[in-house]
Amino acid sequence: DQQVKQNSPSLSVQEGRISILNCDYTNSMFDYFLWYKKYPAEGPTFLISISSIKDKNEDGRFTVFLNKSAKHLSLHIVPSQPGDSAVYFCAASGSARQLTFGSGTQLTVLP
Amino acid sequence: EAGVTQSPTHLIKTRGQQATLRCSPISGHTSVYWYQQALGLGLQFLLWYDEGEERNRGNFPPRFSGRQFPNYSSELNVNALELEDSALYLCASSLEVGGEQYFGPGTRLTVT
Repeated sequence: DQQVKQNSPSLSVQEGRISILNCDYTNSMFDYFLWYKKYPAEGPTFLISISSIKDKNEDGRFTVFLNKSAKHLSLHIVPSQPGDSAVYFCAASGSARQLTFGSGTQLTVLP
Repeated sequence: EAGVTQSPTHLIKTRGQQATLRCSPISGHTSVYWYQQALGLGLQFLLWYDEGEERNRGNFPPRFSGRQFPNYSSELNVNALELEDSALYLCASSLEVGGEQYFGPGTRLTVT
């Protein structure tokens, strides 16, 4: 049973445009959400996080939105750059403070 | 500040053998996590160690085991290797329980 789902395995976006990566979760006990970026042959790198008490968190070009009623979060990257091309994982944790990861979305930013 | 390090980078084993993977967390981090990323799949949680104790394990058979040493480094052992154990094994550490996890580059295990 996948508690964290990323339904789009891949996404292609033109450089300078907005990239929107989506993530859905089923466990209502999750209260902390994170996004990681992974380049080939490297470990995932932490990008941005959001607590369930917020609905938006911004860090430079990256913004994460949380819709608790829909159990949905999204990562917006504006403007997208070729260096953003990577696999993006969303992750969630609850009281156990153990991360559950989605299956990832391959983002390709076209120059 | 040095990041999470893992060794070896690559490991090739034969079915039935044992594999040992090592991880050194960021200095000051006491929690260490192990994940498996099989080809085409997301990160599957394996084990979590904190202050030398196993805190939780994922849905993996008992032949996946590990330990955490007094210096907070950790070892993952996989016994009786099977072909489907071929994967990238990632180690992560965090400063506090539930905090952001920082990942190492991984160990690519190939079982032939």
